[in-house]
Amino acid sequence: LAKTTQPISMDSYEGQEVNITCSHNNIATNDYITWYQQFPSQGPRFIIQGYKTKVTNEVASLFIPADRKSSTLSLPRVSLSDTAVYYCLVGDNLRDDKIIFGKGTRLHILP
Amino acid sequence: GAGVSQSPSNKVTEKGKDVELRCDPISGHTALYWYRQRLGQGLEFLIYFQGNSAPDKSGLPSDRFSAERTGESVSTLTIQRTQQEDSAVYLCASANTGRGRFYEQYFGPGTRLTVT
Repeated sequence: LAKTTQPISMDSYEGQEVNITCSHNNIATNDYITWYQQFPSQGPRFIIQGYKTKVTNEVASLFIPADRKSSTLSLPRVSLSDTAVYYCLVGDNLRDDKIIFGKGTRLHILP
Repeated sequence: GAGVSQSPSNKVTEKGKDVELRCDPISGHTALYWYRQRLGQGLEFLIYFQGNSAPDKSGLPSDRFSAERTGESVSTLTIQRTQQEDSAVYLCASANTGRGRFYEQYFGPGTRLTVT
């Protein structure tokens, strides 16, 4: 399982674009990058997953450079309701049966 | 369709009592996971089921913790002789690993356990 490093916390303001970067220097060839969002008093929610380049869905975009040693979760025009903890996970989507969640990034959106 | 459900949502118990927590995964999901999350902390992996078997029990904190899954569906996590340090939110997740999506897990709302 590739080790990941992400900021412990971030603050931003409503309406801003927020980018959270995750480092994963020892990512393996078969590893995917997955991000989860966890609101207070709820279980984590899968938000996006990618292998390379760019992935976009209705919630976020995920940017992955060619060397795949980092990734950036981009949240467009955040609102107060985007205040949550965001977890970056890296591993083999076809084989890893023990998923390790780190401490994540605590994102606080200010009015 | 229905998501992952857990019961009870809250449980307060006295130290030394046994508790049983239940998880109903999404229908058809072959993999089921239990995690523990203490207040303000990240998720701690407890156990993983593939079908009815548990290939990885390495996260269970002690022999007071056990889990079973029947019929590739419902799972129960049992904590015997509860201790105050067992107080946490216990989260269950399921995944459709038959399609190779180990990292696409769907979580339930959790059971908040308080041991007094």
